[in-house]
Amino acid sequence: GDSVTQMEGPVTLSEEAFLTINCTYTATGYPSLFWYVQYPGEGLQLLLKATKADDKGSNKGFEATYRKETTSFHLEKGSVQVSDSAVYFCALTRQSNNDMRFGAGTRLTVKP
Amino acid sequence: DVKVTQSSRYLVKRTGEKVFLECVQDMDHENMFWYRQDPGLGLRLIYFSYDVKMKEKGDIPEGYSVSREKKERFSLILESASTNQTSMYLCASSGDRAGYTFGSGTRLTVV
Repeated sequence: GDSVTQMEGPVTLSEEAFLTINCTYTATGYPSLFWYVQYPGEGLQLLLKATKADDKGSNKGFEATYRKETTSFHLEKGSVQVSDSAVYFCALTRQSNNDMRFGAGTRLTVKP
Repeated sequence: DVKVTQSSRYLVKRTGEKVFLECVQDMDHENMFWYRQDPGLGLRLIYFSYDVKMKEKGDIPEGYSVSREKKERFSLILESASTNQTSMYLCASSGDRAGYTFGSGTRLTVV
C-alpha cells in the first residue's frame, strides 16, 4: 500500500545551520505530498505542499520539491532558527481518495 | 480563521469508563478523521468519515467507535477505557486534496 518513509531523528543543529529532512514515498498514481510541523503540545500544522511532479512547495523559509523520478519530497531550509524546533511529518494523499498517510515524524532541535 | 476544535486539551479517566472526545470544524468539510499519536509510532488512523452518519474503520479501530450526526461534529468514543489507550488524540478535517486541518489535540490519560 501507499506509504511514506522519512529519516529518523532526532536531528540536532546549531542556529543558522542548513537543514535537510529526507522523505521518500511509495504510491500508485500521482499523490499529493505534504509537510506538517508540530510544535510542543500542539496539533499538526500544514507547512507546505506540492500536488504534481516538479512542483516546489515553500513557506517560512522551508522548501520541498516533488521529485517523481526519485519518489522523494525532501524538506530543506537554508538557515534554521531556535523557533524551528519541532517535529516534522511528511505525508501523502492518494489520488483516488483523501486518505492521508504520514511518516513517523522527525524531531528537530535547534540550539542557540 | 478556519478551525478544528477539540473539546479538551487534557483528560484523565479511570479504567472502564466510557470516554467521549469531541471534535468540531467550522469549514463545512465533508471529511473528518481521528488519529492517535504515540512516541515512536507516529500517527495512526483510528476512524474516518466522508459524510454525515457515515464511518469507516482506519488502521486501529479496536476499542473505539465514532459518531457523526452532524457535518461539523465527529466524536470518538472509548467504550471502556483501558490504560493502553493513554495517548494523544488528534482530530482533522479536509474538504479536498489540499490537506488536512488539525485540532490542537487531546492528551488522554487512563489510570
